[in-house]
Amino acid sequence: QKEVEQNSGPLSVPEGAIASLNCTYSDRGSQSFFWYRQYSGKSPELIMFIYSNGDKEDGRFTAQLNKASQYVSLLIRDSQPSDSATYLCAVHTGGGNKLTFGTGTQLKVEL
Amino acid sequence: DTAVSQTPKYLVTQMGNDKSIKCEQNLGHDTMYWYKQDSKKFLKIMFSYNNKELIINETVPNRFSPKSPDKAHLNLHINSLELGDSAVYFCASSQGTSGGAVHTQYFGPGTRLTVL
Repeated sequence: QKEVEQNSGPLSVPEGAIASLNCTYSDRGSQSFFWYRQYSGKSPELIMFIYSNGDKEDGRFTAQLNKASQYVSLLIRDSQPSDSATYLCAVHTGGGNKLTFGTGTQLKVEL
Repeated sequence: DTAVSQTPKYLVTQMGNDKSIKCEQNLGHDTMYWYKQDSKKFLKIMFSYNNKELIINETVPNRFSPKSPDKAHLNLHINSLELGDSAVYFCASSQGTSGGAVHTQYFGPGTRLTVL
């Protein structure tokens, strides 16, 4: 079983819709969870992080964490074509601030 | 005013050669990382240094040797390059590594290494 799993996609949503990206992780001791966005040919950039169960909202983005189910998700409201990118879920596991990444979900927002 | 910078951006070389990638951060962070992103976009940590001390060393061939002359710089030297080393290498930095706080990692622009 992979440590951090994401559906590779592509996930296609129409402009203005809600995009829902999901991530599961295997290490129950994981404490912090990150969502990065990566445009083609660019470096990953942080969207948001979450470490408490429940929802965390930042603008059009909402991260949801359920530690009992070992599940973290990212909702993007009012999706825009500029949101088209690969979204990487990362889990803070172990010491040394080690991040374990999922393989990413490619999101396509269509006009 | 680039936060995390890497040089070179592209590196094309022959098998068997030795090459280095340089990374610098001006964020005042004390922890730096090297990641490898393969052709399937899987991003995996290789090394991490905190205040010039190696703290993460994943299962990486010993042909890869990181060097941190100071906490603002982390270089990656690769000996005897192989075809499988072709990837994008990202440097990252963060403020701290522990203490229960969330230490966000900021990535550099990446170095695309192609081994022929």
